[in-house]
Amino acid sequence: RKEVEQDPGPFNVPEGATVAFNCTYSNSASQSFFWYRQDCRKEPKLLMSVYSSGNEDGRFTAQLNRASQYISLLIRDSKLSDSATYLCVLPEASGSARQLTFGSGTQLTVLP
Amino acid sequence: GAGVSQSPSNKVTEKGKDVELRCDPISGHTALYWYRQRLGQGLEFLIYFQGNSAPDKSGLPSDRFSAERTGESVSTLTIQRTQQEDSAVYLCASSLLTNTGELFFGEGSRLTVL
Repeated sequence: RKEVEQDPGPFNVPEGATVAFNCTYSNSASQSFFWYRQDCRKEPKLLMSVYSSGNEDGRFTAQLNRASQYISLLIRDSKLSDSATYLCVLPEASGSARQLTFGSGTQLTVLP
Repeated sequence: GAGVSQSPSNKVTEKGKDVELRCDPISGHTALYWYRQRLGQGLEFLIYFQGNSAPDKSGLPSDRFSAERTGESVSTLTIQRTQQEDSAVYLCASSLLTNTGELFFGEGSRLTVL
């Protein structure tokens, strides 16, 4: 099993919809996780950092389910500009963030 | 600029040639990472530098790949005797702290090996 697995999508949703992505992980020692977004042919950029069970920032909510070993990203009232690939990222097992494991990403397209 | 700067942005080379990619991290960032991203794929860790500590080279795919960093500044990634499977975007990232996942990426160097 890969350390971090994501549904590649694509997710095609209408503007204004609520969409959620899941990311499963195999390293149960992870205490924190991160969501990055990557626009087409651009570099990844940090979207959210989560150091506890969850975090909310405007239309975005990230949650951690330790029992089932998955993290989720919920986007409410989606905008056209939300179209991107969303990468979940976990630190390596030692707890150091010196090496981060990136998921392959979930592609989201918000349609007008 | 204030961000991570990478050069060249695009490089086309012939199989068997050596290439050198450069990364200028954000000033003051002690940690520097190199990743590789093949078309439609996720990020593949290559190497990590932290200050004057020995680099973590565990992600380098073969001995054709090497990287150096001078202190806490510029880093170069060298690929010798390039192969077609080396074609990818090579992303450099830096971070201020080593205990967070907050990396700042450059725009990448797109390498095409013919």
